[in-house]
Amino acid sequence: SQQGEEDPQALSIQEGENATMNCSYKTSINNLQWYRQNSGRGLVHLILIRSNEREKHSGRLRVTLDTSKKSSSLLITASRAADTASYFCATDLNYGQNFVFGPGTRLSVLP
Amino acid sequence: DADVTQTPRNRITKTGKRIMLECSQTKGHDRMYWYRQDPGLGLRLIYYSFDVKDINKGEISDGYSVSRQAQAKFSLSLESAIPNQTALYFCATSDYHLAGEVDTQYFGPGTRLTVL
Repeated sequence: SQQGEEDPQALSIQEGENATMNCSYKTSINNLQWYRQNSGRGLVHLILIRSNEREKHSGRLRVTLDTSKKSSSLLITASRAADTASYFCATDLNYGQNFVFGPGTRLSVLP
Repeated sequence: DADVTQTPRNRITKTGKRIMLECSQTKGHDRMYWYRQDPGLGLRLIYYSFDVKDINKGEISDGYSVSRQAQAKFSLSLESAIPNQTALYFCATSDYHLAGEVDTQYFGPGTRLTVL
């Protein structure tokens, strides 16, 4: 089984609604990162949260990290059609020596 | 990200052929990575390199080899391609500033490889 797993696998919402995606992992991490991928294209980094941080914000993004539960969540507020993409969490197990990506959540934002 | 380029962008080949995928970066990063992406499986690490003299196997290195020709160039080879190597391949770079500080990964646009 994978180190990082996102939940749900797919999410469909209306424009203006909030989207929440979760990521669970199994082993201790140095940091956790969220990436976005538009269909068939490269991943783009969204936000990084370190193991000693509990919450981080960037624009309409809010990430939380609960190391006791080995889980993270990504909240996108006031979603837009342009937010339609796949979102991946990646756990850094050893200061860049071992990034592990989850299978991703496919988000569809309907206009 | 235009700072990380991959060639070719698409390639169709036949079983048994040797294939090389190339990655170049202008970000000046020391660290480079090769991943493959299969539907529903996220990205899996094939090889990574922390500098020109450092090459490391990732999770799924069997059937692949790499060459770090320079800081800016990292190529991935399939010596004898097989159909289950059909996938989307991504190159990525990252920088490592200080002990304990980690930068993010910057991805190329990907190479779609089909092995018939």
